[in-house]
Amino acid sequence: ETGVTQTPRHLVMGMTNKKSLKCEQHLGHNAMYWYKQSAKKPLELMFVYSLEERVENNSVPSRFSPECPNSSHLFLHLHTLQPEDSALYLCASSPEDRAYSPLHFGNGTRLTVT
Amino acid sequence: GENVEQHPSTLSVQEGDSAVIKCTYSDSASNYFPWYKQELGKRPQLIIDIRSNVGEKKDQRIAVTLNKTAKHFSLHITETQPEDSAVYFCAEEGAGSYQLTFGKGTKLSVIP
Repeated sequence: ETGVTQTPRHLVMGMTNKKSLKCEQHLGHNAMYWYKQSAKKPLELMFVYSLEERVENNSVPSRFSPECPNSSHLFLHLHTLQPEDSALYLCASSPEDRAYSPLHFGNGTRLTVT
Repeated sequence: GENVEQHPSTLSVQEGDSAVIKCTYSDSASNYFPWYKQELGKRPQLIIDIRSNVGEKKDQRIAVTLNKTAKHFSLHITETQPEDSAVYFCAEEGAGSYQLTFGKGTKLSVIP
C-alpha cells in the first residue's frame, strides 16, 4: 500500500497514439507532481500542482499535457511522443508544494514509445 | 539548486561493511538536503534528510553529514545488509525554490 497509485504500470505506444497516465493519492496531500526517470539521469521534475493549480512547468514539450481535476487525482496526457520519451514516469504527492515537504512516490508507469 | 554531483555511480560493499555516498552542490543558499532510496522495481522513498542549521543527523544505521563550507553532504550506512542494496539519490533545495534538484543516483550492492 503506497498511498499513491499509478496506472497503468506499463504502457507501449506508437508515436501517433494518444494515451493518458493516471495518478491517485489518498494521503490528503495538497501538492502533486510528475517526474521523469531515465537511466543514468537525475529525476526530472515535469509539473507541479498545488491545490489543483499548476505552479510549475519545467519547459516540458507540449506533447505532454497534465491535468489535475482535484487534489487527489493527476493525469498526464500523451500524444505524438518520440522514442526518447521512453522512461519511467513517476507521480508523487507531498503535504505542501515546498521542497522540504517529503515526496511520496507512486510505483511509476514504464512507458515505451515505438 | 542548480546542480548536484553524486559519487560514486556504483558501489559494492561486503555485508557488514560501511558505505558512503557523497554529493556536492553549487548553490551556497541551499538549505535542505534529503536522501531517497529506490529498490529495484520500486518507488523512491525518503530515508533521511538534513537542514542547513545541522551538521549531522542519525537514524539507526543511517547518518547524513553536511559541510556547508565545502558545499557537500554525505550518506553513511553502517553494518550494511543485503536489503540496503538499492539506488540512492541525493537532492537539494535551493533558496527561493520549492523544487528539489536530484543527483544521478548511486547503485549500492551489498554482497552477502
